[in-house]
Amino acid sequence: KAGVTQTPRYLIKTRGQQVTLSCSPISGHRSVSWYQQTPGQGLQFLFEYFSETQRNKGNFPGRFSGRQFSNSRSEMNVSTLELGDSALYLCASSLGGRDYEQYFGPGTRLTVT
Amino acid sequence: AQSVTQPDIHITVSEGASLELRCNYSYGATPYLFWYVQSPGQGLQLLLKYFSGDTLVQGIKGFEAEFKRSQSSFNLRKPSVHWSDAAEYFCAVGAMYNNNDMRFGAGTRLTVKP
Repeated sequence: KAGVTQTPRYLIKTRGQQVTLSCSPISGHRSVSWYQQTPGQGLQFLFEYFSETQRNKGNFPGRFSGRQFSNSRSEMNVSTLELGDSALYLCASSLGGRDYEQYFGPGTRLTVT
Repeated sequence: AQSVTQPDIHITVSEGASLELRCNYSYGATPYLFWYVQSPGQGLQLLLKYFSGDTLVQGIKGFEAEFKRSQSSFNLRKPSVHWSDAAEYFCAVGAMYNNNDMRFGAGTRLTVKP
């Protein structure tokens, strides 16, 4: 079974631009979560989607948004990029619910200049 | 809200020596706990999980962890470390309603000396 895939793997953007990251979950998984990883703040939860609905959201500004499609693929969008948005963005999928663990993709490395 | 503390930022051990990575959690109910490993430039790989039952949990790559409710701890252990174990290790606790909103510790970077 194929793992979680994320595209692109690397991205360089300029401050003020917007960016869209994509995540394809493991087949059959309906939950997709996004995390931001930085050296200073560590791993922080952004949001989770389950069956096309945002089920939970972390403490990030509204510039960070996401969506999930009917095939469970998810996209994350960051508008008006700031230098501090430079990070590794990780996507994780699971079957959903409390009794299932998450499986992570390799991440998208975003650099904002 | 749940939280996790990993007291050791960096640990160095010799190859073949035993390893213990510490993890303390704060949670109002029975926690769901995880250990993940991350190699440079990679995503996170699940080593093991604790949901309920036996407090000693076996994982992949020869790792095990012990849940101690009285100490709010979930320490990761390995009897004999291999050079390939050098990586960053993260302890995490799942939210009460599901595990798709996890709180991670700051991580412990493991260096293995030859």
